[in-house]
This record gives sequence, C-alpha cells and structure tokens, in this order.
Amino acid sequence: QVQLQESGPGLVKPSETLSLTCVVSGYSISSGYYWGWIRQPPGKGLEWIGSIYHSGSTYYNPSLKSRVTISVDTSKNQFSLKLSSVTAADTAIYHCARPHTTGWYYFEYWGQGTLVTVSS
Amino acid sequence: SSELTQDPAVSVALGQTVRITCQGDSLRSYYASWYQQKPGQAPVLVIYGKNNRPSGIPDRFSGSSSGNTASLTITGAQAEDEGDYFCSSRDSINNDVLFGGGTKLTVL
Repeated sequence: QVQLQESGPGLVKPSETLSLTCVVSGYSISSGYYWGWIRQPPGKGLEWIGSIYHSGSTYYNPSLKSRVTISVDTSKNQFSLKLSSVTAADTAIYHCARPHTTGWYYFEYWGQGTLVTVSS
Repeated sequence: SSELTQDPAVSVALGQTVRITCQGDSLRSYYASWYQQKPGQAPVLVIYGKNNRPSGIPDRFSGSSSGNTASLTITGAQAEDEGDYFCSSRDSINNDVLFGGGTKLTVL
C-alpha cells in the first residue's frame, strides 16, 4: 500500500521560504513515476505546483516556477518542496501525490495534506 | 495559460443520475481526470483516461468527452457521493497540470 506523508512547519513568515517534505512508504521512489505537489487554499480549489521524476527531472507550474524548487532524495525515499518569497496567498493545504501508472498527471495516491499558514 | 471551467454547484435527487461538466481547450487534446473530495479529506481519483476507474471506485461513476467538454456522470447517486468534484487535465501547450474550480454536489 503506497502511503505519502507531508511534514514541515505549519507557520511561515511573509517573504520567507516554505519547506515541506513528503516521505513515501510502500513504494520505492527509485522505481519510477513523477511525484507531485498540489496545494489547496482553505475553501478553494486545487492548484498543481509541480512534479519530479526519480532522476530529478522536473515540471513546474509556470505561475510559480520562479519561486519553486522540488527535489528528490531516493536514499530517504522522499521528495521536497521549497517555495520562496511567500505571501498570504500561499496559505494552503499542501499535498504530495503519486500518479497512476497510465499518466503522470493522474494523481492516484495522496498524502493527507499539511496546512501551511503564511503570517507574521 | 489554459483553464478548466466547472459549474460551482449541482444537485441531484437520491438515486437519480447527475452529470458534472468541465470545459477547456486542453480537453480537445487530453482526457480529463476527475477527483472527489469530501470535507477534511484528500481528493480521491474517481475517473482517469477515456473512462477508467481506479480500483475500489463504484461503477456508477463514468466519464465521457466531446470536443472541449468532459463530463462525469454518476448513475444512481448515493448520499455518500456528496462532495466536491474537480476535473483535471494536462495542458495542451505546456507540461502543466490544470484543475477546474470544482463543483459542489448535493444529493437531495
């Protein structure tokens, strides 16, 4: 059973960098797939942030690309998100996810999500 | 960039059939996927590709597509089907993933 678990600070100050990690269990990241980050502001819709392959190849949402870095650590079976220069608009529940076998953009397995609030 | 548009809310009587739609230019090139989300929970993939259901998703859920419009149909809606439904697709221009704004389904 594939499981994903996000972790990181729940409160980040404006202009600082948001850092989250997704630990994967039940599947080796090295075996494949593009692993994704998706966020959801409270009460609003979903927004894809970006995805990373086990080799380190990445796709980023163009609207966030200048501020986003996604990295992978296969030795720890985890991948991470950094979002710089955050503002209140970055307050959201952040989910990590693994796609279905047939398409890197069909997210089949999701972490429960972690709420990150940007506030001073 | 491309967008996906959904109706904000839809209602259906218990046991009846409901269709939730999603419009966008990317849907002319890529199939939509559909996610169900209940309060306080992570989204659940219910339809992907042409009309495929992940393991464990009831067969009352089905997907279809025509032109720039994708549809999720629930045949014989149940009370447990209440929730928010989001469509998604790959952007036809860039390697992006798009999400619709979501449709809140109420089962009466």
